[in-house]
Amino acid sequence: DTGVSQNPRHKITKRGQNVTFRCDPISEHNRLYWYRQTLGQGPEFLTYFQNEAQLEKSRLLSDRFSAERPKGSFSTLEIQRTEQGDSAMYLCASSLHGQQMYEQYFGPGTRLTVT
Amino acid sequence: GNSVTQMEGPVTLSEEAFLTINCTYTATGYPSLFWYVQYPGEGLQLLLKATKADDKGSNKGFEATYRKETTSFHLEKGSVQVSDSAVYFCALSGYAGGTSYGKLTFGQGTILTVHP
Repeated sequence: DTGVSQNPRHKITKRGQNVTFRCDPISEHNRLYWYRQTLGQGPEFLTYFQNEAQLEKSRLLSDRFSAERPKGSFSTLEIQRTEQGDSAMYLCASSLHGQQMYEQYFGPGTRLTVT
Repeated sequence: GNSVTQMEGPVTLSEEAFLTINCTYTATGYPSLFWYVQYPGEGLQLLLKATKADDKGSNKGFEATYRKETTSFHLEKGSVQVSDSAVYFCALSGYAGGTSYGKLTFGQGTILTVHP
């Protein structure tokens, strides 16, 4: 069990550029979640996948945001035409979901700074 | 919708002091409740959880009891250590009608600093 990994750990980009983040969940976990955390706040839910199906998207996820989880393994989160308000920590979590709800394990996050 | 409210921080205590961090929630159905901790420079870790009313979650000397009548899940520890300095998040996950939603709704976090 190597845990949830996220890459890159830090990303600095200019406003208007596109960025893509990757999350590798714990291998046997079927659910994968994306959250966003701004300074001094708790994480806010963005979207989640069960296997390769994206089951829910938050209203926070504007049309500039897109997430994929091809083959139900790793996931990518892309932000197009970045804005300064997108600056935040983007967290990924995974869990094994079945009859019971299991613990979500969080990755270290990708810190995005939009200049 | 679901929401979580934590006591305002930061909280500063001396080592061996008693800790309480208040957490109240609003949710439909029968949520599960969690406390997560974020140590400096590290990712979020689950500290403890409770999945039904009157359950007590406990871990590393921390405890919290799921109180449905007061919609609360206060975190307590009898004697804090310097190593407990971290940010603590209360969170809930909705569960209703046989369906577990899974996604977490977090409070804003409480910074705890423990001095020797």
